[in-house]
Amino acid sequence: QITLKESGPTLVKPTQTLTLTCTFSGFSLNTSGVGMSWFRQPPGKALEWLALIYWDDAKHYRPSLNNRLTITRDTSKNQVVLTMTNMDPVDTGTYYCARLGYSDRLNWFDPWGQGTLVTVSS
Amino acid sequence: DIQMTQSPSSLSASVGDRVTISCRASQRIGSSLNWYQQKPGKAPKLLVFGASTLQSGIPSRFSGSGSGADFTLTITGLQPEDFGTYYCQQGYGTLTFGPGTKVDIK
Repeated sequence: QITLKESGPTLVKPTQTLTLTCTFSGFSLNTSGVGMSWFRQPPGKALEWLALIYWDDAKHYRPSLNNRLTITRDTSKNQVVLTMTNMDPVDTGTYYCARLGYSDRLNWFDPWGQGTLVTVSS
Repeated sequence: DIQMTQSPSSLSASVGDRVTISCRASQRIGSSLNWYQQKPGKAPKLLVFGASTLQSGIPSRFSGSGSGADFTLTITGLQPEDFGTYYCQQGYGTLTFGPGTKVDIK
C-alpha cells in the first residue's frame, strides 16, 4: 500500500521561506521511472502544479515560480522536500504531494497525500 | 503554457442521470489527459488517465474519451457519492489543470 503525508508549518510570515516535507511509504524513489510532485490549491480555487522530481534526481518546476522553488529528495528517509522562498499571502492554500505514474509517454498522479494548509500572514 | 477549459462550471443532476463534463486544451495534447475527483476538504482522486483508461478501483460508471484537444468525462448512472469537483489535467507540456466542474446531486 502506497501512502503519502505532507508536513510543515501551518502559518508563515510574508517574505519567509516555506519548507514542506512529503513522507511516503510503499515504494522507493530510487526505482527507475518513479517520480514525486508537489501541487497547491488556493482556497476555493483550482489545482496548480509546482514541481516534480524523478528517480534520477531530474527536476522540473512551474516556470512562473521557478526562481522561488526547490525540490529535493532524501531516499534514505523516503522523503521529498519542497522549499518556496519569499512567501506572500497569495501563496496561501493547501499543498499536496503525489506520486507520478508513467507509461508509454503518458503521466498521471496517484495517490495523493491528504494535503497541508499553509496560511501566509503577518 | 497549455490552457485547459472545462464546461459546464457546475451542474446539478439526479441520481441515475447520465452526466457529461467537457475539457478542452488550447493545443493538441494527444491522449495526455487525466481526470480527478475532489470532494470538499479532501485530496484529488485519480479517475481516468491517458484520456480513457479507468484507474484501478474506480467504478465502471465513469468513462473518459477524446484525443487531440477535446475530451469528455461521462458518469453513466450518477450515484449520491459522485458529488464533488472534477478536474481535467494535461500532461503534455508544463502540467496544467482545468478550472473544475462542480457536481451537485439534486
